[in-house]
Amino acid sequence: AQTVTQSQPEMSVQEAETVTLSCTYDTSESDYYLFWYKQPPSRQMILVIRQEAYKQQNATENRFSVNFQKAAKSFSLKISDSQLGDAAMYFCAYRSSPGGSNYKLTFGKGTLLTVNP
Amino acid sequence: DADVTQTPRNRITKTGKRIMLECSQTKGHDRMYWYRQDPGLGLRLIYYSFDVKDINKGEISDGYSVSRQAQAKFSLSLESAIPNQTALYFCATSEEGQRSPQHFGDGTRLSIL
Repeated sequence: AQTVTQSQPEMSVQEAETVTLSCTYDTSESDYYLFWYKQPPSRQMILVIRQEAYKQQNATENRFSVNFQKAAKSFSLKISDSQLGDAAMYFCAYRSSPGGSNYKLTFGKGTLLTVNP
Repeated sequence: DADVTQTPRNRITKTGKRIMLECSQTKGHDRMYWYRQDPGLGLRLIYYSFDVKDINKGEISDGYSVSRQAQAKFSLSLESAIPNQTALYFCATSEEGQRSPQHFGDGTRLSIL
């Protein structure tokens, strides 16, 4: 079974600075998908960014980018120019490709990000 | 209007009561899911459904049941609620495609006394 580990229960960053959230995962599969979800205090689960394992290029979405290291099974999220609205719990999630357990997202336990003004 | 709507938003009830949490979606997705979120544990899958006639257990289905009344509706029931089922419950939907992410409702916070 796949596991997802977020080793930083809490992180903080100054407004306008850059922060990186860590995520590692364990899998024997070669094809899969990785996601970062954001959960603000309103408790919505909002998709931030996704990465297909077969793509070498790191995904970017505006101020959000990932550092995907397939061999190391690492998938970190970088937030540039942090804003107060970025304060939230961030979850890393793994999903198999078809043929595996592709219905299921496996989540890490989350990293609580605080943004200081 | 939200694409994935969960009702109620919050619920407090007593041990032993039967509880139903409802989820409806306007996204036209075939796949629907129920997760629970506990502090420090992330989200865990309870049940999932690929279409109206296809319902499957997730990793923590004991004590729960589901009903897929239509493509757009997927309800979760606790037949006899117990305090350790106190959690935040999320419904999610997705398309069938490989790249399709899951889209979540706003959650139901359930407290069982």
